This record gives sequence, C-alpha cells and structure tokens, in this order.
Amino acid sequence: KQEVTQIPAALSVPEGENLVLNCSFTDSAIYNLQWFRQDPGKGLTSLLLIQSSQREQTSGRLNASLDKSSGRSTLYIAASQPGDSATYLCAVRAKGTNAGKSTFGDGTTLTVKP
Amino acid sequence: EAGVAQSPRYKIIEKRQSVAFWCNPISGHATLYWYQQILGQGPKLLIQFQNNGVVDDSQLPKDRFSAERLKGVDSTLKIQPAKLEDSAVYLCASSLGTSATNEKLFFGSGTQLSVL
Repeated sequence: KQEVTQIPAALSVPEGENLVLNCSFTDSAIYNLQWFRQDPGKGLTSLLLIQSSQREQTSGRLNASLDKSSGRSTLYIAASQPGDSATYLCAVRAKGTNAGKSTFGDGTTLTVKP
Repeated sequence: EAGVAQSPRYKIIEKRQSVAFWCNPISGHATLYWYQQILGQGPKLLIQFQNNGVVDDSQLPKDRFSAERLKGVDSTLKIQPAKLEDSAVYLCASSLGTSATNEKLFFGSGTQLSVL
C-alpha cells in the first residue's frame, strides 16, 4: 500500500527566503508525482507534474525534483512572498494493481511573513 | 477552458439527514473522482469513474454513501444518513484519459459539509 509523507507539517519563513518542501513515498512504481497548492476553504490548484521518467520540472519560482529510487520529491520555492502562504500537497499516481490511483500526503502549511 | 464545477459550496445539515453533491468535470474528461478531505489531512479517494463505469469504490462507505455518473458526464455523490464524522470537504476531480495512464488531475473548489 502506497504511503505518502510530507515533512514538516508546518513551516514559517520571512519574505524573500528560499525554501524546500519535502514529499516521500514508499512504492516507487508510479506514473507521476503532482504538486498542488490549496488555499483555505478552496480546492486544489495544480502547480507541477513530474512524470516518472523525469528528474525535475520548473515553473516560474517553483522547481520540483523527483528521485524515484529513493522515493523522494522536493518542491523548491525561490524568493518566497506572502502570497505563497498556503498548504502544499503532493500526490503520487500508482502503477500496478492500483493503477491510476493517486495517493496524497497530508500537506505542508506554509506561512510567509512580510 | 472551464474547470471542474461543483455545487453547493457549503452545506450544513443535522446528523441522520441526507445530502447530495454535484460535479461537472472538464469537458471531454473520461475519468472522474470523488475525494473526501478531513481538516488537516490530504484528500482520500472515495470513488473513481471511467466514463460511466466504476473503476474503484473500495474506500466508499457503501452503507451510507452512493455515487453515480449518468451518461459519463456529470456526477452526484449522496450521503444518507449523515454522521458527525462525515464533516469534511468533498472534492471532485477529473482527468482526460483512462485511469491507468499518465494523467494530470484537475480539481473543483469543493463542497464543505458540516454535520451537526
């Protein structure tokens, strides 16, 4: 059974800092890993999707990496801004007997202080 | 491009009452998912449809939850009777292709359910 862990559960940083969010998973048989942002009371907004054959993806100030062999992904946010304050979730999409099923971590809640 | 539409946004009911949620996926998306998200946790899959067939409903509490996707487009999720522990955000998501391929998930805004 796939298990996804995100550490830390919460993170507070001053504006302008670069930061890294972590996601680990137990089963490396995955199709892809997707990072999402969730604002309070809202749905999930997709940030980046990394396919299993890729090592990283970039979008603006965001960079996500994937190391499938070690079961880890990181989301790097450069020059953080107060508007980046939200909960960040990762989800892995399984191959094999659970093909197509996405398993989510519980998220990291980020607060960027002005 | 229109996103995934969900309604209502909020619902407050008393325990033992029934409630229904509606979802309209992105046009052309074959796969539709219902997730339950309890406060402080990540979303947990309740049911997954491919067109109008069920792919996975192993985590759906079938004694009280039901879902359908008529004509392979929009979907409804129903709870009857509701329990206090059903208080959560119910998220609908869709993806373009079949469930076994390398797909990207798109989510709606969710329905926040409070059971009193």
